[in-house]
Amino acid sequence: GAVVSQHPSRVICKSGTSVKIECRSLDFQATTMFWYRQFPKQSLMLMATSNEGSKATYEQGVEKDKFLINHASLTLSTLTVTSAHPEDSSFYICSAKELLWETGNTIYFGEGSWLTVV
Amino acid sequence: AQKITQTQPGMFVQEKEAVTLDCTYDTSDPSYGLFWYKQPSSGEMIFLIYQGSYDQQNATEGRYSLNFQKARKSANLVISASQLGDSAMYFCAMREGGGNKLTFGTGTQLKVEL
Repeated sequence: GAVVSQHPSRVICKSGTSVKIECRSLDFQATTMFWYRQFPKQSLMLMATSNEGSKATYEQGVEKDKFLINHASLTLSTLTVTSAHPEDSSFYICSAKELLWETGNTIYFGEGSWLTVV
Repeated sequence: AQKITQTQPGMFVQEKEAVTLDCTYDTSDPSYGLFWYKQPSSGEMIFLIYQGSYDQQNATEGRYSLNFQKARKSANLVISASQLGDSAMYFCAMREGGGNKLTFGTGTQLKVEL
């Protein structure tokens, strides 16, 4: 089946630095990808919708200048956490829907990325 | 109002027994899809089963079945013949209309015991 890959799976960065997380659809094209955040023992919360070739759509309360999203191609979306702080430490996971299918269950998730800001 | 409600924060089941994880949803859109995902401690989200709002039959995938009761707006997951490897967090999620954004419930932590 279709695969979505995230990289890195784990990253530790210093407070004040920026970190980039990549989400790739490996064998299908995705015009839309989604970025979620999950705090320990909590549910996934949608942060933003990443649209290929246009600006991302952010959910209410998510700082677009802090969480920069770029969807430069049909197979790659990146999330950059800028000026990271310890409170940004979390599990970030992306999902993608295959371009050709308009219905059904073809929403695939990446493996997720654990971010720790020290 | 919560769009997806999972009322069981934790569940225990004995190996080889069946277990039902509850999920209720709230939407006014006639077209929607319901998903169940399994999340082990490693964090990945593993797709288990999908039910479309217009599907006439309850979805089944191997040991997983979805008890879809549209009038009650419930979409409970049934896992038959539980295995130790089924121990994980389970999330119910909904997609509304033609969109692909998923709204997740708070999850149920399932532990399978010997």
